[in-house]
Amino acid sequence: DGGITQSPKYLFRKEGQNVTLSCEQNLNHDAMYWYRQDPGQGLRLIYYSQIVNDFQKGDIAEGYSVSREKKESFPLTVTSAQKNPTAFYLCASHQAGNTDTQYFGPGTRLTVL
Amino acid sequence: AQSVTQLGSHVSVSEGALVLLRCNYSSSVPPYLFWYVQYPNQGLQLLLKYTSAATLVKGINGFEAEFKKSETSFHLTKPSAHMSDAAEYFCAVSAGGTSYGKLTFGQGTILTVHP
Repeated sequence: DGGITQSPKYLFRKEGQNVTLSCEQNLNHDAMYWYRQDPGQGLRLIYYSQIVNDFQKGDIAEGYSVSREKKESFPLTVTSAQKNPTAFYLCASHQAGNTDTQYFGPGTRLTVL
Repeated sequence: AQSVTQLGSHVSVSEGALVLLRCNYSSSVPPYLFWYVQYPNQGLQLLLKYTSAATLVKGINGFEAEFKKSETSFHLTKPSAHMSDAAEYFCAVSAGGTSYGKLTFGQGTILTVHP
């Protein structure tokens, strides 16, 4: 089955620690995205990548970092510089030329203790 | 630039009643429009999309939406609500294929269905 996987489902971290969220897709999609979701605020774009070894900041990139070394993988690191990291994080992918439709993973809920 | 406004952060209906979730958009170019559904602690699932073909779009689970350019709207409807429709719904817009897949999302509307 093709799809997007995110791990772990739930993640807890202490203040001051960096943590990396995994996102893998086997859809052979070119572009991948990371969103942050907070209640009542919809989805806000953190970073996106349209091609391997290239990525762009979204609307709320401060305190986050990404890499795109492989087409199928787009990990997100939440650094200690992120002031309020507790949120639900969603990864998505999109195939160029496919009417902009994005497909989403199941999400990771990060809680800072 | 694109933007989306979803009117009503919460909508409550009775089972069997009409569901109407409102979405208005702003776009400087002909848009693509999307409705996604999210169940608690899950990712988003595509319900339907408008990509400049038929203005009345049918999606999964009995939902449909009509693109009205004159009203800059893309409201989501379902004739008869099911308990299983209770979820959060997101409207999204893109710049019609010129934004390399980037979507702008509305704030979401939580649909509650009462027995």
